[in-house]
Amino acid sequence: EPEVTQTPSHQVTQMGQEVILRCVPISNHLYFYWYRQILGQKVEFLVSFYNNEISEKSEIFDDQFSVERPDGSNFTLKIRSTKLEDSAMYFCASKQTAMNTEAFFGQGTRLTVV
Amino acid sequence: DAKTTQPNSMESNEEEPVHLPCNHSTISGTDYIHWYRQLPSQGPEYVIHGLTSNVNNRMASLAIAEDRKSSTLILHRATLRDAAVYYCILRPYNTDKLIFGTGTRLQVFP
Repeated sequence: EPEVTQTPSHQVTQMGQEVILRCVPISNHLYFYWYRQILGQKVEFLVSFYNNEISEKSEIFDDQFSVERPDGSNFTLKIRSTKLEDSAMYFCASKQTAMNTEAFFGQGTRLTVV
Repeated sequence: DAKTTQPNSMESNEEEPVHLPCNHSTISGTDYIHWYRQLPSQGPEYVIHGLTSNVNNRMASLAIAEDRKSSTLILHRATLRDAAVYYCILRPYNTDKLIFGTGTRLQVFP
């Protein structure tokens, strides 16, 4: 069964450093998302991306965050200058079409900022 | 965003049916009702969705009240693998972001 793949599974970074989280969505999917889950808290929407541009973003997704689909297969989330409060599990998700309402999530990348 | 209310936790024995309730009294006519679940240490997983009519798929059934102010996810025969947090989510037709609540933690006992 096709799946969304995220790398790395765990990343440790120092506060203030830039970090890039990588995702390979399912190959024929066109809609891409990032969510995050701080330990013990709810899953939170960050951003949706379609046709090489952001279609919707949350208040969390400030200027420190950016997304990119650099090569037609990867979908990345960059945090420019990490803060301690960015420590969370980050989930990538993809959907085939706008009308297809089943989103497929990856296993997540655990980001630890020290 | 329209709000959903779910019990914090429920328990079931293996091979018994499980009915997970969700109240959404402020639902609007164009909100879809989605259910996702999150197994331990995994990303959310789609379970089922509906608008007005009851729905069945290989994983579960979704029963939607006539006034749409509540719904029930039905697992026909719980297995140990069904132990997860189950999220009832309302998705307006004009957005595809999912707003997760705290969900119901389902424990399944052998």
